[in-house]
Amino acid sequence: GEDVEQSLFLSVREGDSSVINCTYTDSSSTYLYWYKQEPGAGLQLLTYIFSNMDMKQDQRLTVLLNKKDKHLSLRIADTQTGDSAIYFCAEGQNSGGGADGLTFGKGTHLIIQP
Amino acid sequence: DVKVTQSSRYLVKRTGEKVFLECVQDMDHENMFWYRQDPGLGLRLIYFSYDVKMKEKGDIPEGYSVSREKKERFSLILESASTNQTSMYLCASSLWASGTDNEQFFGPGTRLTVL
Repeated sequence: GEDVEQSLFLSVREGDSSVINCTYTDSSSTYLYWYKQEPGAGLQLLTYIFSNMDMKQDQRLTVLLNKKDKHLSLRIADTQTGDSAIYFCAEGQNSGGGADGLTFGKGTHLIIQP
Repeated sequence: DVKVTQSSRYLVKRTGEKVFLECVQDMDHENMFWYRQDPGLGLRLIYFSYDVKMKEKGDIPEGYSVSREKKERFSLILESASTNQTSMYLCASSLWASGTDNEQFFGPGTRLTVL
């Protein structure tokens, strides 16, 4: 079955860049997502990338996709205390019909040090 | 903006009770999902529904059932709650499975404690 792996914790200093990594196993994944979960809240979509792209930039966020290695990363530039959250990588497919839930990683806790 | 609401933020029930968790979305989405979130295990899909009265088992359906009588509402039912069902329950909805429309929008979560 599909599997999405992430490390559980990442600690960075305020102002540095954070890089959160994710690997997945399903080569037919069409869309890859990054969700952010702040304490006590649900998940919010941060960004997504199509599998035919290798990079997407959105303000402080840069997503890199290496489809050959099935590796996805999220880079947050100039990390702020408000970035402290759990970040989930998720993969989904263009199934053309039916629901098919996304497959989520276990989430990476981003800890910001002053 | 898409809004997904869940009936309770916090719930405390006793072992053996029947528990209903309600989820409502206001954007006419086709698909709705129930996940549970546990430390170190991430999100695990319990059930999903792709249309009214249609449901599919996810990865961990045991001990749960669901109901989708109306498009905007998806209920998760614990027939006889057990302590190992203490968890954070997250509801999500998406427009459709194809293209970027399979982006899922999440509710705030219900933290259920079973004593």
